Amino acid sequence: QQQVKQSPQSLIVQKGGISIINCAYENTAFDYFPWYQQFPGKGPALLIAIRPDVSEKKEGRFTISFNKSAKQFSLHIMDSQPGDSATYFCAASPNYGGATNKLIFGTGTLLAVQP
Amino acid sequence: DAGITQSPRHKVTETGTPVTLRCHQTENHRYMYWYRQDPGHGLRLIHYSYGVKDTDKGEVSDGYSVSRSKTEDFLLTLESATSSQTSVYFCAAQAGTSGGAGELFFGEGSRLTVL
Repeated sequence: QQQVKQSPQSLIVQKGGISIINCAYENTAFDYFPWYQQFPGKGPALLIAIRPDVSEKKEGRFTISFNKSAKQFSLHIMDSQPGDSATYFCAASPNYGGATNKLIFGTGTLLAVQP
Repeated sequence: DAGITQSPRHKVTETGTPVTLRCHQTENHRYMYWYRQDPGHGLRLIHYSYGVKDTDKGEVSDGYSVSRSKTEDFLLTLESATSSQTSVYFCAAQAGTSGGAGELFFGEGSRLTVL
């Protein structure tokens, strides 16, 4: 199955809090897991990505946690700020070796960070 | 900024009319994609291209065709638009790398309404 299941659908967090968005997949051939951030009226933009050879990747306030055995990965936003308010998409793709990046996206999480 | 421009940005059309959306990139990326974004579905791949005149179907290709006669332009055509094709369409491009995944650069989207 090619699906990537994302939760929650929406999330409200207070400024300074931790935002957590979860994704799960079934296809064990997936080996690239990016998160995209989308502001209203704009296209998605890559935020952070991980490959399954590591269990965690951190870039500033954003961390991906990856659990290969459970086939789950999550995005943590530490010290959430109102400027982080956006829609977040997890995604996954298999490495076909020389083929294109056919990303499968989750359904998105609308994050609102209240001041 | 990968220099991706979509046109038109907004279009209203009637059922049964043909519609062409244009994606233009300035970075000479090899791979280009068309996605549609709908509430509750996230981003779904319609068609993609891995070079001039080289295209293939994505997850939701029925009712759509594409063409790529030049590296910089990727056209999406709805031969006979239906109300179910009302959506926001995103073009994306990816630098050519052999094997595996890479960052997708998205345009700002084309909002299509089919009445």
